[in-house]
Amino acid sequence: DAGVTQSPTHLIKTRGQQVTLRCSPKSGHDTVSWYQQALGQGPQFIFQYYEEEERQRGNFPDRFSGHQFPNYSSELNVNALLLGDSALYLCASRTGTRIYEQYFGPGTRLTVT
Amino acid sequence: GEDVEQSLFLSVREGDSSVINCTYTDSSSTYLYWYKQEPGAGLQLLTYIFSNMDMKQDQRLTVLLNKKDKHLSLRIADTQTGDSAIYFCAELNQAGTALIFGKGTTLSVSS
Repeated sequence: DAGVTQSPTHLIKTRGQQVTLRCSPKSGHDTVSWYQQALGQGPQFIFQYYEEEERQRGNFPDRFSGHQFPNYSSELNVNALLLGDSALYLCASRTGTRIYEQYFGPGTRLTVT
Repeated sequence: GEDVEQSLFLSVREGDSSVINCTYTDSSSTYLYWYKQEPGAGLQLLTYIFSNMDMKQDQRLTVLLNKKDKHLSLRIADTQTGDSAIYFCAELNQAGTALIFGKGTTLSVSS
């Protein structure tokens, strides 16, 4: 049973560029959340997708956007990258019923230069 | 608002017990969690506890919840060098959509 997978593993971008990160949820899961983890910090909630719609959003600017596909996979897009966007981006998935069991992927390390 | 606080560092010797503490502010939290993060890796769900429970035990892990004081602890029995990692406490927000994390406790186990 495959867990949560994310791609790419690492990414280096320049300020002002745009980036797309991808996530495939654990088998049987239909809800995907994205988190940003800056160095030395705990993860911060960006948003959650369910039934292809953004269900809730954390305190992030609208440069951060997302999408969920019919197969439940998801993308996180960040426009106009800033140096402060450098972080580990984590995807988490769960089912709609067992909301208390949320599993994380290995993350994508984004470096903005 | 919702906030989670943890001590930042804990050092123990192999074979000892480790106790990692956490306090949270949202008394309406339904679930509280412990996640483990090894260097360069994602988060591994260790255990969680429902707010109507006081204790949960899972092999070497014991979670204690004091809802009155909004205090959560994780005890690791017979700590091994492989337990060295960052441990995050988290609460599920009121909407049941997002996890609110502490900054993590770095556990260092020496042999």
